[in-house]
Amino acid sequence: AQSVTQPDIHITVSEGASLELRCNYSYGATPYLFWYVQSPGQGLQLLLKYFSGDTLVQGIKGFEAEFKRSQSSFNLRKPSVHWSDAAEYFCAVGENDKIIFGKGTRLHILP
Amino acid sequence: EAQVTQNPRYLITVTGKKLTVTCSQNMNHEYMSWYRQDPGLGLRQIYYSMNVEVTDKGDVPEGYKVSRKEKRNFPLILESPSPNQTSLYFCASRTSYEQYFGPGTRLTVT
Repeated sequence: AQSVTQPDIHITVSEGASLELRCNYSYGATPYLFWYVQSPGQGLQLLLKYFSGDTLVQGIKGFEAEFKRSQSSFNLRKPSVHWSDAAEYFCAVGENDKIIFGKGTRLHILP
Repeated sequence: EAQVTQNPRYLITVTGKKLTVTCSQNMNHEYMSWYRQDPGLGLRQIYYSMNVEVTDKGDVPEGYKVSRKEKRNFPLILESPSPNQTSLYFCASRTSYEQYFGPGTRLTVT
């Protein structure tokens, strides 16, 4: 069965530091992959998605993610975080009729 | 503006009192879903619909009903709510794997 694992429940980084949020998936074929962000009290916003092609995907707000088939990973990165990036981040895997979400990583930013 | 709307945004109710959370999208999407979000559990799919009159169970369908009589609307019905259904609920619609979420409905069942 499909599954999505986000190993880190919480991550704390200093403002201006680089960020990498981990996501691993279990899926038989090449999956459709997503990263969503949820700010406090808000809904979910799509940051980026991967369907095929270039394995390095650029998203909104300066985020990028890299699909690594050999590692079954789709990690989210940002070179320099801002205080406004504090939020919860969800990785998701899609198949024909559903999208499965990881349990989320909450990002805290130190001033 | 392309959007998914949900109503109400906040609801406090008592055990056993039937309620409906409405969901509407203006993007002509065929595929719609309901999720619940609970701390530490992420988003779990309750029901989904691939088209009008076509609905199917997601991962956590117990205690919920849905209907899809027209493409734009996909209401979530709790016939007899219980405290374990206290949660944050999201409706979503999508096409070609671009999924749009509603703003969420925070439900408290006492």
